[in-house]
Amino acid sequence: DTGVSQNPRHKITKRGQNVTFRCDPISEHNRLYWYRQTLGQGPEFLTYFQNEAQLEKSRLLSDRFSAERPKGSFSTLEIQRTEQGDSAMYLCASTPGSSYEQYFGPGTRLTVT
Amino acid sequence: KQEVTQIPAALSVPEGENLVLNCSFTDSAIYNLQWFRQDPGKGLTSLLLIQSSQREQTSGRLNASLDKSSGRSTLYIAASQPGDSATYLCAVWGVGGSNYKLTFGKGTLLTVNP
Repeated sequence: DTGVSQNPRHKITKRGQNVTFRCDPISEHNRLYWYRQTLGQGPEFLTYFQNEAQLEKSRLLSDRFSAERPKGSFSTLEIQRTEQGDSAMYLCASTPGSSYEQYFGPGTRLTVT
Repeated sequence: KQEVTQIPAALSVPEGENLVLNCSFTDSAIYNLQWFRQDPGKGLTSLLLIQSSQREQTSGRLNASLDKSSGRSTLYIAASQPGDSATYLCAVWGVGGSNYKLTFGKGTLLTVNP
């Protein structure tokens, strides 16, 4: 499978715990995006990488959130001190430099209890 | 700030019917518009991408149109099938400071009844 992959697919955690998600983009896609989607809503932009550089972060991304993309390959999204309001689907997408079309992964469903 | 609205929020049709989903956006300065399909609890599958210079794109039973000046797009589904049941999302890729991210509507939940 050469699509965008995300791990884990599901994560249940207790409030206050830290969680980390991983995204592996399509090979040679230099742009990588993270979005968050809550029930009944469309995905909302969180952050964007071009290669290893994080070029933009949404104001939705509080200080408890951090994202990295070392070496411009896979990316991780960490949430510290999780809150119930963090419960959502976290989606990753990638785009080749020559195209605007975004390819999405299956998402990580986070439930904070 | 770009806002995307999709109408209707939900639609239920009998199998075989042709249908139209609507999408409107407030800022007509866009690079492109993309239609996605999302099955329950799943990620997004890209259906059609319309560049700002194009007026429509077709793939199989799907046809998407774009009218930038009026800030509207439609997704036409011909001869609907139960397998078409899903949420359909419209998203626009803006210009200027936001030309690297998609702004999504809330989606239209489509149910095709056998």
